[in-house]
Amino acid sequence: EDKVVQSPLSLVVHEGDTVTLNCSYEVTNFRSLLWYKQEKKAPTFLFMLTSSGIEKKSGRLSSILDKKELFSILNITATQTGDSAVYLCAVEWGGSNYKLTFGKGTLLTVNP
Amino acid sequence: GAVVSQHPSWVICKSGTSVKIECRSLDFQATTMFWYRQFPKQSLMLMATSNEGSKATYEQGVEKDKFLINHASLTLSTLTVTSAHPEDSSFYICSAREGLAGPTYNEQFFGPGTRLTVL
Repeated sequence: EDKVVQSPLSLVVHEGDTVTLNCSYEVTNFRSLLWYKQEKKAPTFLFMLTSSGIEKKSGRLSSILDKKELFSILNITATQTGDSAVYLCAVEWGGSNYKLTFGKGTLLTVNP
Repeated sequence: GAVVSQHPSWVICKSGTSVKIECRSLDFQATTMFWYRQFPKQSLMLMATSNEGSKATYEQGVEKDKFLINHASLTLSTLTVTSAHPEDSSFYICSAREGLAGPTYNEQFFGPGTRLTVL
């Protein structure tokens, strides 16, 4: 069964809109949750979240983690066409050797 | 910042041949490296975890004899796809993680990926 579930799987918006991407997870020995942006090549790091309720911000992007309800959201405000990409959520978990399990991603398309 | 390179960036080979992909951490020592595979329109799937100087740990369903991983130094890991077949065509991405405690302790740094096409 999927350990990391993202929704929606795809989303089409207009420039200027605000979007919220969701990620829920179910793993043992949770360590952190990470968000990545992927455009054609390897993912680029956006955020790493380890504590509940503490929002991380970077420009128009922000993210927060809820460790009690086991989910995270990624918000993008005032979207631009350059935000079009696949946004991946990954959870770092495990025992002595933590590993990342990725969700299927959300394909965001921002139209002008 | 931490940089991970992969070589080659793309490769086309004939069915039955072997292909080696290199992953290097350029400005840090990577005690752990990870190999992922990504099929079109799918997410990254972890194939194996390798710690420098020891045998790789493969994920369930990944054939260790087919995907040979060597992590002989703190800056280099290689993935060899042996006797490649068309179904092995995929995007292979490595990542590397420092072993030292610090601000980037948990973060995995990803390479740019290698696109393998097996004819």
